[in-house]
Amino acid sequence: GAGVSQSPRYKVAKRGQDVALRCDPISGHVSLFWYQQALGQGPEFLTYFQNEAQLDKSGLPSDRFFAERPEGSVSTLKIQRTQQEDSAVYLCASSLLWQGKETQYFGPGTRLLVL
Amino acid sequence: AQTVTQSQPEMSVQEAETVTLSCTYDTSESDYYLFWYKQPPSRQMILVIRQEAYKQQNATENRFSVNFQKAAKSFSLKISDSQLGDAAMYFCAYRGYSGNTPLVFGKGTRLSVIA
Repeated sequence: GAGVSQSPRYKVAKRGQDVALRCDPISGHVSLFWYQQALGQGPEFLTYFQNEAQLDKSGLPSDRFFAERPEGSVSTLKIQRTQQEDSAVYLCASSLLWQGKETQYFGPGTRLLVL
Repeated sequence: AQTVTQSQPEMSVQEAETVTLSCTYDTSESDYYLFWYKQPPSRQMILVIRQEAYKQQNATENRFSVNFQKAAKSFSLKISDSQLGDAAMYFCAYRGYSGNTPLVFGKGTRLSVIA
C-alpha cells in the first residue's frame, strides 16, 4: 500500500470491554512496531515484530495487552478488560528491515478513549 | 536505559525566521542513530532528518539541519525560513546500533509559526 494504515481511527470503549486495533504495514515491510502515545507525551514502545515473530514485547504494560502478526503482514493489538489508563493513541510503524539508519514509517494512529 | 529529553514544551517562531529545537539524550553506547520526527495536528508522524553518531558532519535536509554534539550528547534541530506548514509537534528520537532496538522518544516540542 501507499503507507501504513490503521483502523479504527477512533475507538470509544466502556471500562472492561475488549478492543482490537488493526495495523496494515507498507507492503513488503518486515519490521513492525507498536507504540503507545499518551496525551502530551512522546510515543512509548510496546512491541516489535520481525515478520510473524514477536521479538520484543517488553513494553507491553500488562498481560491485558496482546499483539499478533500471524502471517507476517497485518498486525492486531488487543487490549482485554480495558481500563481508563489505557486511553491513548496507539501508533503502528513499519520498516523494510530495522537496521542501520532505516527509518520507521508511522500510521495515523488509533485514538482509544476508555470511559 | 537510554533517555531523550526535550526541555522546550512549546516554541514559536515568526514566518521566515529561524528556530532551534533542543534535544539531549543519555546513553552508554558509542554507536547509535538520532532522528527528528514531525507530527502535524491529527496527521501522521513523518521523519524530518536523521544522523548517524559515527558521522561528524551534521545532517541537513533542505531547510532543516542539526547540530550534533556527541560529547555533550546534544542533538538540536534548526529550521530555517520557517513556514506555516512547519507548525507541528517535533519529537527527538534515539535508537541503538543493534538491529532490534526500538525508537526512544522525547516528550516533544510544540512549534507554532506566526504569520
